[in-house]
Amino acid sequence: EVQLVESGGDLVHPGGSLRLSCAASGFTFRSYWMHWVRQAPGKGLVWISRISSDGSSTTYADSVKGRFTISRDNAKNTLYLHMNSLRTEDTAVYYCARDLGTDWYFFDYWGQGTLVPVSS
Amino acid sequence: QTVVTQEPSLSVSPGGTVTLTCGLSSGSVSTDYYPSWYQQTPGQAPRTLTHSTNTRFSGVPDRFSGSILGNKAALTITGAQADDESDYYCVLYMRSGVWVFGGGTRLTVL
Repeated sequence: EVQLVESGGDLVHPGGSLRLSCAASGFTFRSYWMHWVRQAPGKGLVWISRISSDGSSTTYADSVKGRFTISRDNAKNTLYLHMNSLRTEDTAVYYCARDLGTDWYFFDYWGQGTLVPVSS
Repeated sequence: QTVVTQEPSLSVSPGGTVTLTCGLSSGSVSTDYYPSWYQQTPGQAPRTLTHSTNTRFSGVPDRFSGSILGNKAALTITGAQADDESDYYCVLYMRSGVWVFGGGTRLTVL
């Protein structure tokens, strides 16, 4: 069974940093692209970042470019999101999601999300 | 900046048919955008419904179908049921290597 479990969400002050993790199991993690998608309270889904299966290629939404870094450790079956210079508008539930990659371009399995409140 | 448009809200009667659409602020949606659709109920993670325009994801009932209608991607629900009452999101893949979600459609079954 495919499982994605996010962790690391915590209250952080504006300007602070945080690292989220997404532990994967039930599939060959190193064969899949992975994404982070977030959802502010009461708002819609927003894609924020993608990493290729080997970690060599990453893309970001403009709203987080230069502040957030996506990475992965295929030996540990874990995806990360390093978030710096956090703003109140980054407050959201952060989901990781799996993608089959080239010529698929969709999110087939999702984690349950981890909440990141950014507040003073 | 690319904006993906969806109806903010729609309603459907039980047993009825409803079509949700997914458009672009500039231009037409085609299969090249690999449109996919997701269902979300409050407090839950999204659930994948369709991908690659019209491919139903594993385990999704055949009353959910994806298509291109005119210049938009579409999700049609036939024989709507009470538990279809949810938020629905489309997402488009951009050749620049980013994905853009629509704002979501809140579907009411009444």
